[in-house]
Formats: sequence, structure tokens, C-alpha cells
Amino acid sequence: EVQVVESGGGLVQPGGSLRLSCAASGFTLSSYWMHWVRQAPGKGLVWVARFNTDGTTNYADSVKGRFTISRDNANNMLYLQMNSLRVEDTAVYYCARENRELTGHPIGFDNWGQGTLVTVSS
Amino acid sequence: SYELTQPPSVSVSPGQAARITCSGDNLGLRYIFWYQQKSGQSPVLVIYQNGQRPSGIPERFSGSNSGNTATLTISETQSMDEADYYCQVWDSYFWVFGGGTRLTVL
Repeated sequence: EVQVVESGGGLVQPGGSLRLSCAASGFTLSSYWMHWVRQAPGKGLVWVARFNTDGTTNYADSVKGRFTISRDNANNMLYLQMNSLRVEDTAVYYCARENRELTGHPIGFDNWGQGTLVTVSS
Repeated sequence: SYELTQPPSVSVSPGQAARITCSGDNLGLRYIFWYQQKSGQSPVLVIYQNGQRPSGIPERFSGSNSGNTATLTISETQSMDEADYYCQVWDSYFWVFGGGTRLTVL
């Protein structure tokens, strides 16, 4: 069964750091574009970062320079290192798999984890 | 940066068709994707590439995209369809989500 499971969320003070993990099973993580998407309490979905199959990364402007997405192929894991956290980073963070056709056309985010809650507060 | 606009809420009676719109500049030139998120759950892809349904998604879900507006249509809406719906597009290096529409089945 294809599955991603996030962990690592918690309460952290402003300016602090946290590392989120995403464990993939049922598929090889390095064969897919992988993403982090967040959702503040009562708000909508916001794309945060992606890790491409070729190892390149991209970030939303709101987290660029503070967050780092990485991948561990040996353990089929995706990570999000979050530094200099702000109150406005408080959200549920989802790990999501992006599927693509052989032509490269996106099919969408076809697998999401249950999310992990990050609360930034003093 | 590219922006997608959705109505905050849509209401529909059971058995009627629900239409949720998503607007953006020349949106019809891009692929649109739709996600359903029920209360307390993770999002689920319901439409990809404007009008394609992933396996397991009921036929009552359909989509279209032309001009500046994309539309998710749920024909014969059921109470189980009550949820938040988000549109999504690819913009150069980023994915962009609409603000979401809460569908209420009265």
C-alpha cells in the first residue's frame, strides 16, 4: 500500500528550529516529486517546498532561506528542516507525493499523509 | 505570483448539481487540479488535468477549464460530498492553491 507518514511536529518558541520527517512506503520516494504543504488552523492549503526527482528543490517565498527540504534515498525518507520559526508558521504540515505521466505532465498530488502539527508560540 | 480565486462558500440541496469555480488569469491555458478535504482529514485528489478523474472517484465529479475560469461540478450531490474544495495550478516553479470553497449540502 502506498503511504506517507509525517512526524516531528510539536511546540517550539519563535526563532526556534524543528525537523519534520516523512516516511514513504509502498513506493520509491526518489522516483517522484515530493512536496510539503501546510495548512494554518482554519485556513487553506499552502504549498511550501518540493524535492524533484533530479535532486533540485524549490521553496515558497515565505519560507525561502529558513526551510530546507531534503531526501534520504536509503531510508525512503523526506525531511523539512525549519529554522527561524515564526508564529505565522503555525500549521499542520502535510507530506504529499506528486505523480506525473511518462510525458512529464503532472497528474496531481495523489498521496497525502495525515499531517503533523507545528505550533510556534512563546 | 499567480493567484487563484474561489468563492468562500457554495450551498446545494441533496440531489442537485454543485458548481465550484476557480478563477485566474488565462487559467484555461494551464492544467487545473481539484482536491476535496473533509473535516479533520487530509486532502484527496478528485480531478486532475482539468477534467480527469483518478480511480475511485465517483463519476458525479467532473471538471472543465476555459478562459479565466475552471469549474468543478458535482452532479447529484450527496451529503458525503460536504467538504472544502481547493483548486491548484502549476506556475513555473511553484504550485499554487486557491483559497478553498466550503460546500454545504443543505
